[in-house]
Amino acid sequence: DIQMTQSPSSLSASVGDRVTITCRASQGIRNDLGWYQQKPGEAPKRLIYAASSLQSGVPSRFSGSGSGTEFTLTISSLQPEDFATYYCLHHNSFPLTFGGGTKVEIK
Amino acid sequence: EVQMVESGGGLVQPGGSLRLSCAASGFTSSNYAMTWVRQAAGKGLEWVSSIGGDGTETLYADSVKGRFTISRDNSKNTVHLQMNSLRAEDTAVYYCAKGDGRGWLCDYWGQGTLVTVSS
Repeated sequence: DIQMTQSPSSLSASVGDRVTITCRASQGIRNDLGWYQQKPGEAPKRLIYAASSLQSGVPSRFSGSGSGTEFTLTISSLQPEDFATYYCLHHNSFPLTFGGGTKVEIK
Repeated sequence: EVQMVESGGGLVQPGGSLRLSCAASGFTSSNYAMTWVRQAAGKGLEWVSSIGGDGTETLYADSVKGRFTISRDNSKNTVHLQMNSLRAEDTAVYYCAKGDGRGWLCDYWGQGTLVTVSS
């Protein structure tokens, strides 16, 4: 099974900060990775697919990069509505596995 | 508008059964894989099961294999998750999610249904 190690597990940041979250796969997964945002009490919302493609309707301050085993999600300028938990998900093979999540909190 | 609405959750005793349903609308469901993902309170997301668009391919997490069965009725745009021999550790919000047409990655998610396994 492919393990997804996400870091950090939490971070504190201010509005306007640049934020970077990383997911590392235990083996190469090409670009078979998506990023999701989840707010309390809500379903996850997809932000990025194919590691770097922006989901329609998602603000351009979100971007993804990486291929193989290392991937990053970057928020270029953190906005108040971005405080949430973020997850990566690989779909290279079964079982699909999520990263452990990164909770982005207000500093 | 793409929408998934889950139903069927509730309180069940250990060893009991529940059948979750996911009603899809806004797209032709037979063209897309569908997936169930669960989330225990305060925990992360866990993939449970996926089914291909025509229903012939089904996949399960080891934690539910042999106890859960995924199925779909494309004529009714619904997906089901039959859950048997339920355990306390199955307690979670269960989300239904739609594949994005490129593979198994999910794009749109329902709001979830809560399953509580407790005596």
